[in-house]
Amino acid sequence: DAKTTQPNSMESNEEEPVHLPCNHSTISGTDYIHWYRQLPSQGPEYVIHGLTSNVNNRMASLAIAEDRKSSTLILHRATLRDAAVYYCILRDALTSGTYKYIFGTGTRLKVLA
Amino acid sequence: DVKVTQSSRYLVKRTGEKVFLECVQDMDHENMFWYRQDPGLGLRLIYFSYDVKMKEKGDIPEGYSVSREKKERFSLILESASTNQTSMYLCASSTRTGRNQPQHFGDGTRLSIL
Repeated sequence: DAKTTQPNSMESNEEEPVHLPCNHSTISGTDYIHWYRQLPSQGPEYVIHGLTSNVNNRMASLAIAEDRKSSTLILHRATLRDAAVYYCILRDALTSGTYKYIFGTGTRLKVLA
Repeated sequence: DVKVTQSSRYLVKRTGEKVFLECVQDMDHENMFWYRQDPGLGLRLIYFSYDVKMKEKGDIPEGYSVSREKKERFSLILESASTNQTSMYLCASSTRTGRNQPQHFGDGTRLSIL
């Protein structure tokens, strides 16, 4: 299974940018990198995904290293509602043609008021 | 917005009981998934289904079975519950149309087996 490595926890001050790193040195050439987050007492929710180029959406930005062995999720202005566990995820193909996500243990982000 | 609804947020059962966890999605998604989440282990895939009556084992299927008789509903069955199946169970769904469609998760069922 393709694997990712993330720090267990990070802290940020409110209103400041947050950079959440992820290493995925075993990534294959066609693997997309997905990020999800899990707020307290909720299921994971999709944040962003990308292949090679940097990606932006209303929630975050994703910066992907040129060799694709690492990526960084960027929250431009952290709020208290961004306190969550953030998962960097690769996928493995299943026999039916769909994919399963390989979840690690994620990074617990604490936002300080 | 996609809604994935799990029938119970909390459930307490006894060892040896047959336990049913229900999940319903309202977006006509082809794929549905069951995960369990344990501290220090992240989310692990138990079973998934890519169509009605179709299923495929995930990483930890032992002790579980599933049923998908209708497209919107995916049931996880613990045939004879054991204490090591105490966990948070998460259901998810996704469409098969297009690449990289996100999985949409329910809020989970916290199951305790006594």
